[in-house]
Amino acid sequence: DAKTTQPPSMDCAEGRAANLPCNHSTISGNEYVYWYRQIHSQGPQYIIHGLKNNETNEMASLIITEDRKSSTLILPHATLRDTAVYYCIVRGNQGGKLIFGQGTELSVKP
Amino acid sequence: NAGVTQTPKFRILKIGQSMTLQCTQDMNHNYMYWYRQDPGMGLKLIYYSVGAGITDKGEVPNGYNVSRSTTEDFPLRLELAAPSQTSVYFCASRVGETQYFGPGTRLLVL
Repeated sequence: DAKTTQPPSMDCAEGRAANLPCNHSTISGNEYVYWYRQIHSQGPQYIIHGLKNNETNEMASLIITEDRKSSTLILPHATLRDTAVYYCIVRGNQGGKLIFGQGTELSVKP
Repeated sequence: NAGVTQTPKFRILKIGQSMTLQCTQDMNHNYMYWYRQDPGMGLKLIYYSVGAGITDKGEVPNGYNVSRSTTEDFPLRLELAAPSQTSVYFCASRVGETQYFGPGTRLLVL
């Protein structure tokens, strides 16, 4: 399973875009990139996933570089409720299991 | 749909005691997972199941057992509780590329 590297923490001003980077330089060709977030004490919540093309849904956008070695999760207009730990995950090959790293703790400030 | 439910929410165990953490999902998902999360850390996979009657080990299976007799239920058994098993336990089910997590069970072993 490919490992991911994320900054341990980031700050963002409310209303501004939050750009969360992730490095996954050892990703293999058939592995997807997933993003989940965990608001304090709750179970993780799915945000978005992608293989090679950029993806957008109602929560966020995912930008994957052409070589697939890194990606960026974009929250276009961060709110205080987006304060959470964000996990970038490359999916394991067996049973769809997710290997969680330590994630990025995003603090959205007024 | 209630989604993924877990019971109990919180439990204190003495060393050597046993208990079963319950997990139920009403979405008819074949894939189910058990994770543990230690303070300040990401989630680690304990066991997973790809369908009724089929289970497999994750990253940290020692000290735990699981069974999957129905699609809905995926209980996690601790036979001889140890302080190292103090953690928050999350159950999840998966459909397609999305895992849905329960609210967690906080376990304290003293």
